[in-house]
Amino acid sequence: DQQVKQNSPSLSVQEGRISILNCDYTNSMFDYFLWYKKYPAEGPTFLISISSIKDKNEDGRFTVFLNKSAKHLSLHIVPSQPGDSAVYFCAASATDSNYQLIWGAGTKLIIKP
Amino acid sequence: KAGVTQTPRYLIKTRGQQVTLSCSPISGHRSVSWYQQTPGQGLQFLFEYFSETQRNKGNFPGRFSGRQFSNSRSEMNVSTLELGDSALYLCASSLEYPNNEQFFGPGTRLTVL
Repeated sequence: DQQVKQNSPSLSVQEGRISILNCDYTNSMFDYFLWYKKYPAEGPTFLISISSIKDKNEDGRFTVFLNKSAKHLSLHIVPSQPGDSAVYFCAASATDSNYQLIWGAGTKLIIKP
Repeated sequence: KAGVTQTPRYLIKTRGQQVTLSCSPISGHRSVSWYQQTPGQGLQFLFEYFSETQRNKGNFPGRFSGRQFSNSRSEMNVSTLELGDSALYLCASSLEYPNNEQFFGPGTRLTVL
């Protein structure tokens, strides 16, 4: 039972345009969400997070949107740059589950020149 | 500040053998989590340790075990290796809770023949 789903295994976007990565979850107890980026042969690195009390969080070119009613979050990257090519994971946690992170399967983002 | 280190980086074993992987977290980090990554499966949570105690556990068989020492260093052990255990094993540390920003090591690539 996948509680966190990233339904697009890959996404190709033109350099300079907006990249939108999506993530859906099923557990209504999740109250904290994170995005990580992973390059080949490296461990994931933290990108941005959002608490369930917010519906948007921005950090430079990265914005995460949370729609609690739809149990959906998205990561927007504007403008997309070649260095953004990587695998992006979303993860979720619930306070009553000892904050254990549940991860999606990842979306490979390819930025085309 | 030194990052998360994992040893060894690569390991080749045969079915039925056992293996021990090591993880040294960032100094001051008390939470250490272990993940298994296989193609298309994302990060599968194995377990999380905090102050030498297993705080969270994923859905893996008892062949997978771990421990944490008083200096927060952690080891995971896999006994009676199976072909399906071939994967990248990632260790991540965070200050106190797994949904704090986690810092990942480069991983140990385990191949079971």
